[in-house]
Amino acid sequence: SQELEQSPQSLIVQEGKNLTINCTSSKTLYGLYWYKQKYGEGLIFLMMLQKGGEEKSHEKITAKLDEKKQQSSLHITASQPSHAGIYLCGADRTNTNAGKSTFGDGTTLTVKP
Amino acid sequence: DVKVTQSSRYLVKRTGEKVFLECVQDMDHENMFWYRQDPGLGLRLIYFSYDVKMKEKGDIPEGYSVSREKKERFSLILESASTNQTSMYLCASSSWRVATNEKLFFGSGTQLSVL
Repeated sequence: SQELEQSPQSLIVQEGKNLTINCTSSKTLYGLYWYKQKYGEGLIFLMMLQKGGEEKSHEKITAKLDEKKQQSSLHITASQPSHAGIYLCGADRTNTNAGKSTFGDGTTLTVKP
Repeated sequence: DVKVTQSSRYLVKRTGEKVFLECVQDMDHENMFWYRQDPGLGLRLIYFSYDVKMKEKGDIPEGYSVSREKKERFSLILESASTNQTSMYLCASSSWRVATNEKLFFGSGTQLSVL
């Protein structure tokens, strides 16, 4: 079974609308990462969260990690077609700097102009 | 910028063929990883390596082997390709030494089709 559950699996929004993607774990997360992937390409790093309650923003994308460090959300404000792609959350399996991560299934985002 | 380069973007092979997927990183990273990505299953770790000539099995190593003869290069080998190995293969690297927000650096991926 997946260690990280993402919801929704897919999302279609009208340009300009806000949206939220969730990533949930049954275990405490040592580090939570958000990546974006264009279809057929590699993953591009967006943000990393480590501390409970932490929130980071970059341009119109905000990611939060809850206090218990078991759930993260990615929020996009005023979505644009350039935001379309697959969003994946990843998490460290241990508290070492190993980079051995587990990933969610991904959320496919479509933004309609 | 860190660069992780995978030798092929698209590859088509026949069942039973021996397939080599090559990955090279240019940042002197100790750790290298091979993942495969399939719809509905996400990214799954096949093998990883923390040092030259060292390898460890990930979650789904069956049907694969790896080679790390040089620090910058990590090869994934499909000894006898099967149709269920049709997938997107992603290579990644990371470092113990560097404190960076970006833990894993990914290549662009190789879409392998086994016919």
